[in-house]
Amino acid sequence: ELKVEQNPLFLSMQEGKNYTIYCNYSTTSDRLYWYRQDPGKSLESLFVLLSNGAVKQEGRLMASLDTKARLSTLHITAAVHDLSATYFCAVEGAGSYQLTFGKGTKLSVIP
Amino acid sequence: EPEVTQTPSHQVTQMGQEVILRCVPISNHLYFYWYRQILGQKVEFLVSFYNNEISEKSEIFDDQFSVERPDGSNFTLKIRSTKLEDSAMYFCASSDWTSGLYNEQFFGPGTRLTVL
Repeated sequence: ELKVEQNPLFLSMQEGKNYTIYCNYSTTSDRLYWYRQDPGKSLESLFVLLSNGAVKQEGRLMASLDTKARLSTLHITAAVHDLSATYFCAVEGAGSYQLTFGKGTKLSVIP
Repeated sequence: EPEVTQTPSHQVTQMGQEVILRCVPISNHLYFYWYRQILGQKVEFLVSFYNNEISEKSEIFDDQFSVERPDGSNFTLKIRSTKLEDSAMYFCASSDWTSGLYNEQFFGPGTRLTVL
């Protein structure tokens, strides 16, 4: 059974600071997705990571994938309040259509 | 920009009643999904659907649940006899297996189901 662990689950950070969210998964996969969810809203696709060493950047967010370590990171640079949301990683199992989600990291950026 | 839509946004029902949640996937997508998220918890996979049949289902998707694509645009989730523990946000998603390389799923806004 594929398991996905995210940490931290809660993150309170000051504007302007940097931080990293970690996503570990238990079985072989080379497709990992990051989503953002605002309170009461749907899931917005942020990044698609398809291979070992993949790195994607969008604004202050950068995601990477290490398939050998079964680890993805979401790095936040110089956080701003607008980044406050819950971030989920989701892993696509081999030969499967379904996404297995982590518990999410609730990020609060404080002025 | 194309998007997945869902109706209703909020459904309140009595325990034991049947509910149908409706979704309109992105028009050129071929793969459809239902997920649920109990308040404050993670998103859980329920079922995937392709070519008018279920591709995969989770342990949550028991005999009380069914899915249907009644026409060329709608995708529905039916819960036959709702229980209190069915209260959750239900998300529909669709994908097109972009170039056969990856399966980015696009999510609708969700239906909040409250079972009393």
